[in-house]
Amino acid sequence: EVQQVESGGGLVQPGGSLRLSCAASGFSVSSNYMGWVRQAPGKGLEWVSSIYSGGGTYYADSVKGRFTISRDKSKNTLYLQMNSLRAEDTAVYYCARDNLRAGLFGYWGQGTLVTVSS
Amino acid sequence: DIQMTQSPSSLSASVGDRVTISCRASQGIGNYLAWYQQKPGKVPKLLIFAASTLHSGVLPRFSGSGSGTDFTLTISSLQPEDVATYYCQRYNNAPFTFGPGTNVDIK
Repeated sequence: EVQQVESGGGLVQPGGSLRLSCAASGFSVSSNYMGWVRQAPGKGLEWVSSIYSGGGTYYADSVKGRFTISRDKSKNTLYLQMNSLRAEDTAVYYCARDNLRAGLFGYWGQGTLVTVSS
Repeated sequence: DIQMTQSPSSLSASVGDRVTISCRASQGIGNYLAWYQQKPGKVPKLLIFAASTLHSGVLPRFSGSGSGTDFTLTISSLQPEDVATYYCQRYNNAPFTFGPGTNVDIK
């Protein structure tokens, strides 16, 4: 079955770190344009970060310098390392992908909730 | 950065009505415009990409048009299962900005 499954969300204190994982099956994370999109409670969609099939990485200004996107070809998994977390990072984080064009998200995971609170 | 706006922010229409949602980019983005549907409590789904191309499995009552800065999503005959928030998104280059969303409800 072709799918991607996120994990790693949870409760973390402000200033803390968390690493999200997106395990892929039925397709290669290295051959697709992969990205993370988040949605704060009751709010709209916000693009967070993308990694191109060629390896280039891009970030929203709101997370630049704090978040790092990466992928492991051997594990066929996408990651989002989140450091210096703030209350405003609280959201459901979705792993999304497409093979047509970077930034287009034709296929989404179920999401993982990150809560930043003391 | 290029900003995306949508209008209206919400609408209520009757079953069978034709519904139109507008999306505007602050600068030209060619046809690199996508529309997503998010039903309450569900994961977003891609409806349309390249401004007017239906994603696999999307019913043909959904259509998109436009290029440059002005785009439109049309639902030709609104159905109860179309109750959702609709987002436009530009993907010509990063940052891949989403619009604020339009909530569609049944009158």
